[in-house]
Amino acid sequence: RKEVEQDPGPFNVPEGATVAFNCTYSNSASQSFFWYRQDCRKEPKLLMSVYSSGNEDGRFTAQLNRASQYISLLIRDSKLSDSATYLCVVSANFGNEKLTFGTGTRLTIIP
Amino acid sequence: EAQVTQNPRYLITVTGKKLTVTCSQNMNHEYMSWYRQDPGLGLRQIYYSMNVEVTDKGDVPEGYKVSRKEKRNFPLILESPSPNQTSLYFCASSLLGATDTQYFGPGTRLTVL
Repeated sequence: RKEVEQDPGPFNVPEGATVAFNCTYSNSASQSFFWYRQDCRKEPKLLMSVYSSGNEDGRFTAQLNRASQYISLLIRDSKLSDSATYLCVVSANFGNEKLTFGTGTRLTIIP
Repeated sequence: EAQVTQNPRYLITVTGKKLTVTCSQNMNHEYMSWYRQDPGLGLRQIYYSMNVEVTDKGDVPEGYKVSRKEKRNFPLILESPSPNQTSLYFCASSLLGATDTQYFGPGTRLTVL
C-alpha cells in the first residue's frame, strides 16, 4: 500500500461548481498534513496546511480525519484558475523530517 | 526577491558522465531537500538536510549524493547517471523542517541517454 494515495483524476468540473478530493495515508503516526498546488510543468506551491480542527481559506476548506486516516480538500465556486494538480503531502513522526507526496489529483475547470 | 534557484534548468547527458545540479536559496532556511518527479509516481524525496553538514536519505537516494557545506547551497550529484535517472528534479527549502512551508525551485529537467 502506498504511504499517501490520491485519486489521479482527471476531474473535469464546470466553472462555479463545488469539487472535493480525498487523500488517504497509511502511517497512523503522521503528524502534519498539507495540500500543495502544481500547475503544469511548474514547481509545487503550498495551498494550505491541514489542521485537526479543519481550516478554511476563502473558497478552500481542508479537513483531517485521523480515525479514518484521510484528508480532504473542498473547493467552492470553482474558477478557471483553479485548474491544476493538487498534491497531498504528509510529514511523518516528530524527529523524522521526511515528506511524502501523493501522486496528485488533476483538476480541470471547464468554462 | 526570496527564491530558490536551480541550475541548469535543462540538461541532456550521456550514461556515466558525472553531473551536478546546483540549488541555492536566499532565505536563510535551515531545511533543504531534493525530489524527483516522474509520471504516475509523483514527487519522491531523494535527500534532505536539516542544517549544514547534516544530510539524510529520503525515499529514493540510490545513485545520488548531496552535500551541505553552506547553508544556502545544496547540490545534487549524480556520479554515474543512468537512463532511469531521467526525470524532473526539484529542490526545496523551508525555514525549519518538513512541517514548514516548502519553497520549491523551478525544476531541472534531466535526460540521460
